[in-house]
Amino acid sequence: DSGVTQTPKHLITATGQRVTLRCSPRSGDLSVYWYQQSLDQGLQFLIQYYNGEERAKGNILERFSAQQFPDLHSELNLSSLELGDSALYFCASSPFMDSYEQYFGPGTRLTVT
Amino acid sequence: AQSVTQLGSHVSVSEGALVLLRCNYSSSVPPYLFWYVQYPNQGLQLLLKYTTGATLVKGINGFEAEFKKSETSFHLTKPSAHMSDAAEYFCALKAAGNKLTFGGGTRVLVKP
Repeated sequence: DSGVTQTPKHLITATGQRVTLRCSPRSGDLSVYWYQQSLDQGLQFLIQYYNGEERAKGNILERFSAQQFPDLHSELNLSSLELGDSALYFCASSPFMDSYEQYFGPGTRLTVT
Repeated sequence: AQSVTQLGSHVSVSEGALVLLRCNYSSSVPPYLFWYVQYPNQGLQLLLKYTTGATLVKGINGFEAEFKKSETSFHLTKPSAHMSDAAEYFCALKAAGNKLTFGGGTRVLVKP
């Protein structure tokens, strides 16, 4: 158990809908990262937040957005969902902005039908 | 730009045999390198990491990896495979910036 929690574990929704994925980092970690794992794209970095501020952006679609709250939990919002958004979404956390290690949560499996 | 290439998307080994998973990287700055393991329906667990110093790094579950700068490689080995090693393994790189760049993954099947 990494100490990173993600909810929900599974999510099934229809095209065009909007969903919110939630992540609670390890106690004391200030950085949160979001990754997408799909069959065709593999594991890709989406975005990083550090202490409430966006710090790095990867291959994140404009339909996706994230935020980190004062209690350090983070939410990833996915809107206008398409079939291709079906994937496993991981959250990871680390103590600092530029830590060596990232600790991964169990993931949220999103299925868009 | 940085990238990670894992040779072989699937590897099959017999129980007790050597496990060798290959990883090559490309980076314009000295990289930090990682191996993660993903068991079915679970998240990623860190096996080992190379940051600086000793180029042979030991990780959990009997795995080790050697950083070879001249070959831009970071291959993962385990002398004797166990049934519990069946999983998917990811090599990852952290160079400029805070993100991890992952290879495509290698799925390991262990035959009894």
